[in-house]
Amino acid sequence: GAVVSQHPSRVICKSGTSVKIECRSLDFQATTMFWYRQFPKQSLMLMATSNEGSKATYEQGVEKDKFLINHASLTLSTLTVTSAHPEDSSFYICSASVSGGETQYFGPGTRLLVL
Amino acid sequence: QKEVEQDPGPLSVPEGAIVSLNCTYSNSAFQYFMWYRQYSRKGPELLMYTYSSGNKEDGRFTAQVDKSSKYISLFIRDSQPSDSATYLCAMSGTLGGATNKLIFGTGTLLAVQP
Repeated sequence: GAVVSQHPSRVICKSGTSVKIECRSLDFQATTMFWYRQFPKQSLMLMATSNEGSKATYEQGVEKDKFLINHASLTLSTLTVTSAHPEDSSFYICSASVSGGETQYFGPGTRLLVL
Repeated sequence: QKEVEQDPGPLSVPEGAIVSLNCTYSNSAFQYFMWYRQYSRKGPELLMYTYSSGNKEDGRFTAQVDKSSKYISLFIRDSQPSDSATYLCAMSGTLGGATNKLIFGTGTLLAVQP
C-alpha cells in the first residue's frame, strides 16, 4: 500500500517552455501533497505544500508564479514549471500523506533537464 | 545551526557488518521520527517510523529515539550490498501548525562492500 507515482520520470525541454509533472496517490486518498526538489548529493528541499481544493503554501524563496501547483483531487497534484530555464534543471519529487498522518510517501521523482 | 544534523558520509562497511546511522536535532517540538532510504536517482522509501522516544525493530532494521538527548539512530544488522544507498532521517512535530512538514537531514551515503 501507500504507492505514489509520478509522470513523467524524466523530461528534457527547451528554455522558455513549460513543463507539467503529475503526482498521483494510487491506493490511498492524499489530503496533503508536497513538492520537493533535490540537487545532486544534497537533501530534499521542500518547495510547497498543497491541500486538496485549496491554494498551495510555498516555502520562502520559491516563486509561486514560476512553480504552479494544482491539487484538484485527493489523488492528483500537478507541478508546472513555467518558462523553464537551465537553472530549473533538477530532480523533482512529490510526496503524499493522509489526513492526520505524519508520514509521507514519496513518488519516484522526475528528472528535469532544461536546455 | 541546522535543525537536523546528519553526517553525510560516505560510510563504507564490509558485508555482514552492523551499521549505525545517526542524526541530532535541536527542536524539542519534534515528535515523529522517520528514516528513509534513497537509491540513486529514485524517490525516498520509508523504512522506519517512530513516535516519541523508544525503540522500534523491523527485520534487520532498528530505530532508536532519545528525545532527552535529541538523538536518533538507525541500526542495520547483517548489512548487504543491496543496502547501499543514501539514508535520510526526517522528523516532524508541531511546527507552526504544519504538523506534516518534514525536516530532513542531509542524508548519509552508505556503501556495503561485498
